[in-house]
Amino acid sequence: DAGITQSPRHKVTETGTPVTLRCHQTENHRYMYWYRQDPGHGLRLIHYSYGVKDTDKGEVSDGYSVSRSKTEDFLLTLESATSSQTSVYFCAISESWLAANTGELFFGEGSRLTVL
Amino acid sequence: SQQGEEDPQALSIQEGENATMNCSYKTSINNLQWYRQNSGRGLVHLILIRSNEREKHSGRLRVTLDTSKKSSSLLITASRAADTASYFCATQGGSEKLVFGKGMKLTVNP
Repeated sequence: DAGITQSPRHKVTETGTPVTLRCHQTENHRYMYWYRQDPGHGLRLIHYSYGVKDTDKGEVSDGYSVSRSKTEDFLLTLESATSSQTSVYFCAISESWLAANTGELFFGEGSRLTVL
Repeated sequence: SQQGEEDPQALSIQEGENATMNCSYKTSINNLQWYRQNSGRGLVHLILIRSNEREKHSGRLRVTLDTSKKSSSLLITASRAADTASYFCATQGGSEKLVFGKGMKLTVNP
């Protein structure tokens, strides 16, 4: 298994509170991604990073921010959580952009967030 | 949107039978990938097929791609209870993001 650790794995919070999810990798992969998974929507890309301090928006980035100060860590922050952000969040990593060459896109185990 | 769409959305079979899942998409692609997700776990990459390939094999998995019909199929032969999972296709075209379908649930009954 790829060395990807997400924390926390489960979190319950209240509307309006800030939340930070952490993704830590030990593979030294350049690219890191945050997805959310919701019933009926599959996986949707929130933000991604192509290097330290290099990040960009995905298709559902509103209400989320990210930071990558070290190769191994990619943080996802909900500045003011809303009930619509209740979801399962997955971190993924790859050596090449979206693993287009090899398909080697590795996922973490997910972080289940409930916003009350 | 080039989002792939899996069909059927749910499939229940007996152990030892073959399972076929289909994925249709809308725009031209560079590659198509299949992933498996066990309940409560992250996605695991199964196989990637490029747009210039028609068929690939990996163990009990066989993937076909028909770019003229914009469709792909994933065949799992001699299924096992451990194959019970959700399966996703994901498509990528040019510099576009990797877009996942909504997934389909396979149940293999012992």
